[in-house]
Amino acid sequence: QVQLQESGPGLVKPSQTLSLTCTVSGDSINSGGYYWSWIRQQPGKGLEWIGYIYKRGTTYYNPSLQSRVTISLDTSKNYFSLNLNTVTAADTAVYYCARVVLVEPAIVPSWFDSWGQGTLVTVSS
Amino acid sequence: NFMLTQPHSVSESPGKTVTISCTRSRGSIASSSVQWYQQRPGSSPTTVIYENHQRPSGVPDRFSGSIDSSSNSASLTISGLQTGDEADYYCQSHDSNDQVFGGGTRLIVL
Repeated sequence: QVQLQESGPGLVKPSQTLSLTCTVSGDSINSGGYYWSWIRQQPGKGLEWIGYIYKRGTTYYNPSLQSRVTISLDTSKNYFSLNLNTVTAADTAVYYCARVVLVEPAIVPSWFDSWGQGTLVTVSS
Repeated sequence: NFMLTQPHSVSESPGKTVTISCTRSRGSIASSSVQWYQQRPGSSPTTVIYENHQRPSGVPDRFSGSIDSSSNSASLTISGLQTGDEADYYCQSHDSNDQVFGGGTRLIVL
């Protein structure tokens, strides 16, 4: 059974870069049929998709965050990462990583089948 | 792009049936699959319905999903409500490679 675990600083200063890593166990991020995604949830709010990456490095981002987001992966260490630059207090949230299933014959992944436990990142000076 | 609109909250008594709606603002609800996630306080979301009406292994058949093209909406129905069903429920769909979540519905089991 796949497990995902987020890690990274819990406190980031305004205007700096938020960096998180999602370590995957029980599956290879190099395997086909899945995308690897980041989602966030601001305090008391709903879920917001940030973006995802496929094993070949192809990325797709939420248009509202695209100018500040980079998702990358390291297949040798089986993890993928999130960088969000120029953060403000509005970026304070619980950040989740998740696996997204590609249901053939579709070419777009559809459902988020496995989630990490989430990590709270606070943006404050 | 499009939005998915859900009621802010719904409430019902144990043993009853409740339906949560999810209305797509633009484009056909049938153009992409709809998923439903349950999120209990302090926990990560878990899938209760995927591909409009499919249940992951372990999800009881009290949970069912459907779509209605006439109202351009999807629905999650939970029958035989239990106090343990009290949670936030989110619908999710996509338009090409743009994934969208609904705003969430708090289910209160009185």
